[in-house]
Amino acid sequence: DAGVIQSPRHEVTEMGQEVTLRCKPISGHDYLFWYRQTMMRGLELLIYFNNNVPIDDSGMPEDRFSAKMPNASFSTLKIQPSEPRDSAVYFCASSLTTVSTDTQYFGPGTRLTVL
Amino acid sequence: AQTVTQSQPEMSVQEAETVTLSCTYDTSESDYYLFWYKQPPSRQMILVIRQEAYKQQNATENRFSVNFQKAAKSFSLKISDSQLGDAAMYFCAYRSPHNNAGNMLTFGGGTRLMVKP
Repeated sequence: DAGVIQSPRHEVTEMGQEVTLRCKPISGHDYLFWYRQTMMRGLELLIYFNNNVPIDDSGMPEDRFSAKMPNASFSTLKIQPSEPRDSAVYFCASSLTTVSTDTQYFGPGTRLTVL
Repeated sequence: AQTVTQSQPEMSVQEAETVTLSCTYDTSESDYYLFWYKQPPSRQMILVIRQEAYKQQNATENRFSVNFQKAAKSFSLKISDSQLGDAAMYFCAYRSPHNNAGNMLTFGGGTRLMVKP
């Protein structure tokens, strides 16, 4: 399996622009998570989906952030408009819930820089 | 709410030596899961080891092992025969078993491990 795939790996944009981050979870996994990592706040869970349905988006910082999962193999995290304080590494992770295992597998992350 | 604390912001170890990274957590649940993740300079989060709270036996993965002390709510990671490639940030994480918490992980603040040649 290729693991969790994220694109782009690096994104540099200007303040006010729309940014879309993409994630392909591991095939067959039923949970998908979006995290943000910064030096100041560490790792924060933004939102997670179960079977393509958003379950908890309480970590989404504000209305400028939105996430979708149109099908089991694709999710997007969109920031519109972007601001310099959104600069961070954004991780996508997926997991399969069974009786015996639920480990989250992380993608390589997208490093976002907003100028 | 659960909290995870890693009290060592940085640790250093000589190559081939053994190092132990500390993690404590706070929970009122009796059953849960604990994890150690490694984050090298590439920034990718890599699962190192996993422990189920109902298991008394400490988990082991090659050179990595844990010391799980349930009563003390302690979950330390021991790295034996340290290698240069072990240099990374290490995160301890907690997961509740309850369905209404989904598979949410609560992370500690991380420990930066440096390995000296």
